[in-house]
This record gives sequence, C-alpha cells and structure tokens, in this order.
Amino acid sequence: LAKTTQPISMDSYEGQEVNITCSHNNIATNDYITWYQQFPSQGPRFIIQGYKTKVTNEVASLFIPADRKSSTLSLPRVSLSDTAVYYCLVGNSGYSTLTFGKGTMLLVSP
Amino acid sequence: EADIYQTPRYLVIGTGKKITLECSQTMGHDKMYWYQQDPGMELHLIHYSYGVNSTEKGDLSSESTVSRIRTEHFPLTLESARPSHTSQYLCAASSDGFYEQYFGPGTRLTVT
Repeated sequence: LAKTTQPISMDSYEGQEVNITCSHNNIATNDYITWYQQFPSQGPRFIIQGYKTKVTNEVASLFIPADRKSSTLSLPRVSLSDTAVYYCLVGNSGYSTLTFGKGTMLLVSP
Repeated sequence: EADIYQTPRYLVIGTGKKITLECSQTMGHDKMYWYQQDPGMELHLIHYSYGVNSTEKGDLSSESTVSRIRTEHFPLTLESARPSHTSQYLCAASSDGFYEQYFGPGTRLTVT
C-alpha cells in the first residue's frame, strides 16, 4: 500500500467548507483513493472513493489532481456533527486489508 | 448496506477469564476483519478471514484467536484475559477488502 500523509488535526467553525489534503507520492497506477470517517466510540464509515479528477456524493467531494500524488477531501458547510477523525487510504483490489494510519482529527466549533 | 452486529457492546471482566466477542453480518460478505483500537489511537488489524475456514493474523500481534465456521459469523476469543487486553474491538466485513468495509459498533472490553 502507498504511504499516506495527512494533517494530524484541523479546526473549523460551523458553516465553513473544510478541505483535508492527503499526500500519497508513491501511489501506483491501479490504486484508488478512499476516505473513511470515524466518530468517537464507533467504527469507521466509508465516505468516498475516487481514481482521478473529481468525485462528489451527498456527503463530500474528492479532488484528485492529474499527477494523483495528493487528494483533497472537501466537506461543504460543516456542522458540529462532522467532528470526527478522517482517514485517507490508497490501494487497490489486490489488497485484502486496510491500513488506517493516524487520520486527521477535525474539530468543528460553534 | 451491510449490517454488522457485535455483542456484547461493553464487557468488564476479571483477569484470567475466557471471553468470546461475537460478530455477525447479514449480507453474506466473504471477507471479515477484527481491529483493535485504544482511545484516540490508530486502528490495528489483528485478524482477518477470506471466507469459511480461512483465517489470517493481521498487522498487530494479538493473543486472541478467531474462527470462521459460517460465512456470517466471526467470533474472537481470548483464552485468558489480562489488563493489557483492555481496548475497543471492532469487527468489519466486505465483499472486497480494499474498496469498502462495513464496521460494527464495537465491543469495549475492560479487564480488571
């Protein structure tokens, strides 16, 4: 699995857009980028996945530049309930396991 | 969406006791996983299974054991609980290991 680097923590206020960037310089050609969200005392939850350019769903958007060496998870108009740890993972279906790393702790304040 | 169930949700037990943490899923996914996570710390994979009668150890060494006799059931057993086993244990399942794993609510184990 390609190694990923993301900020340890981020702070935001309600209603703001939050962008969390993940670096993955060694991403392989057939690797996808996947983001998970984890609330305290719960298991992680899949948010979004992409290969290139932009992916959007009802929860977030994922921006991937042409060189794919980084990706940005964008959360529009965050609320207090978005306070959680966000994990960036890179890999492909050839791997049967996930390595979550430390993730980014997002704290949303009123 | 897969439904993953874990019981018990909370367990406080004395040192030396044998315990089994239950995990069941209703979607027929082949792959199942056990993770261990201390508060505020990383998730660590301790066991996984590709299917019935298949089990593998994960990245983090664990004194626990697992079995997979039925697709839907993946219990984790500690033969002799110790305070160092105090942690949260999360079970997950997926049809494809990488793309999307569905997690259960977890079991918070405290060994006194």
